[in-house]
Amino acid sequence: QVQLQESGPGLVKPSETLSLTCTVSGYSISSVYYWGWIRQPPGKGLEWIGSIYHSGSTYYSPSLKSRVTISVDTSKNQFSLKLSSVTAADTAVYYCARVGLLWFRWFDPWGQGTLVTVSS
Amino acid sequence: QSALTQPASVSGSPGQSITISCTGTSSDVGGYNYVSWYQQHPGKAPKLMIYDVSNRPSGVSNRFSGSKSGSTASLTISGLQAEDEADYFCSSYTSSSTLVFGGGTKLTVL
Repeated sequence: QVQLQESGPGLVKPSETLSLTCTVSGYSISSVYYWGWIRQPPGKGLEWIGSIYHSGSTYYSPSLKSRVTISVDTSKNQFSLKLSSVTAADTAVYYCARVGLLWFRWFDPWGQGTLVTVSS
Repeated sequence: QSALTQPASVSGSPGQSITISCTGTSSDVGGYNYVSWYQQHPGKAPKLMIYDVSNRPSGVSNRFSGSKSGSTASLTISGLQAEDEADYFCSSYTSSSTLVFGGGTKLTVL
């Protein structure tokens, strides 16, 4: 079955760029589904960051659009997130997930998540 | 885009039914049938429970059901079980071409 796994640094300095990769196994990233990133600050709710299709088409949250880049590498069955100019407010657990048929429709399954802390 | 409004907490006894509401506007919940519900146990990733307002993914118990009336969506859990104790989040597509989540509801099984 499809599985997703986030990877990347757990600590990022303020003003630097957060970079995470999601590796998809058991399913081709070039399928009909989209792929997305969602984050959750400690003890708080969920926030959609953006979604991507294997063709490279991207959809971003308006509140993060100026700082976010999501890309896809079909040869490695991976997609990635870059968030620039980070601050403490970007400290969160970052999840990747498969997105259903439309870039916003549903997220299933999710990766286990990775905590990224922004601190000097 | 403001987050959808959910009650901070709900509770129920084993065997009972509970309903969690998710209130938005005509620009999100009321305007589209793209409401999803997620269950999240402490320290775990969210799990899709309901999509497109009332559809249940394969493998999700039929004790979970979803509905919508106007700009308020609802998740109902019948025959409450201890394992249902978790946080629940709703989400909806919006007319601003974005996706918003609710603030989350903590379900306590008494």
